[in-house]
Amino acid sequence: DVKVTQSSRYLVKRTGEKVFLECVQDMDHENMFWYRQDPGLGLRLIYFSYDVKMKEKGDIPEGYSVSREKKERFSLILESASTNQTSMYLCASRGGGKATDTQYFGPGTRLTVL
Amino acid sequence: GNSVTQMEGPVTLSEEAFLTINCTYTATGYPSLFWYVQYPGEGLQLLLKATKADDKGSNKGFEATYRKETTSFHLEKGSVQVSDSAVYFCALSDLSYNQGGKLIFGQGTELSVKP
Repeated sequence: DVKVTQSSRYLVKRTGEKVFLECVQDMDHENMFWYRQDPGLGLRLIYFSYDVKMKEKGDIPEGYSVSREKKERFSLILESASTNQTSMYLCASRGGGKATDTQYFGPGTRLTVL
Repeated sequence: GNSVTQMEGPVTLSEEAFLTINCTYTATGYPSLFWYVQYPGEGLQLLLKATKADDKGSNKGFEATYRKETTSFHLEKGSVQVSDSAVYFCALSDLSYNQGGKLIFGQGTELSVKP
C-alpha cells in the first residue's frame, strides 16, 4: 500500500519564524511535489523535484524554498513565515516520467501563522 | 495558459440522486484529465482519469468522458451515497513540463449528500 506521510497535521507558528514541513514517501518515486490548498483556488504548485537534489519552481514559489537530499524525503521551508502563508500544504509523489501516472498525496499540514 | 474551471459548490443532494459536476479546460496539445477526491480530513486520491479524446474513466460508480470537441470532462454518478460527501477536483496534466508532469487543478467542488 502506497504511503505519503507529512510530519504534522496541524502547525501554529509566529510571523518571522523559520518553518520546516517534511514529507516522506515509501514508494521509491522520482517525482515529489508541494502544493498549497486555499478555498476557491484549488491546489497551486509551489515546487517540485524530479530527482535527488533537483528542484523546479512551480506557480507560486515566492517565500518558499525546498530541499531534497534523499529520494524519499522532500522538505518545504518557509524562511520567514508570514500570515499570508496560512494555508493547507499538501505533498505528493509520482513514479516515472509520464504525466499520466497517478500522484499520491499525503494527508496535508494545516499551517497557521499568527 | 492552461487552466481548469469547475462548477461552483457546494452541491447538496439527497441520497440516490444523480450527480453531475461540470469541468471544462483550456490547454494546448492533448493533456490527460483527472478527477481527484478529498474526503474530510484526508489528502487527495485519484478517482479516475482519461488519457485521450473519447476515453471514459470510471471508478466506484463515477464516470467521466474526455470530450475534446467541448473541452470538457464532466463527472457523473447515477446514484450518490452519503459516503460520497467530499471535495472533488478536476485536473489536467501540463505537457509543457518535461520533468515532473505538473497537474493543474480546478478550484474544487464540495459535495454534500444528505440521507
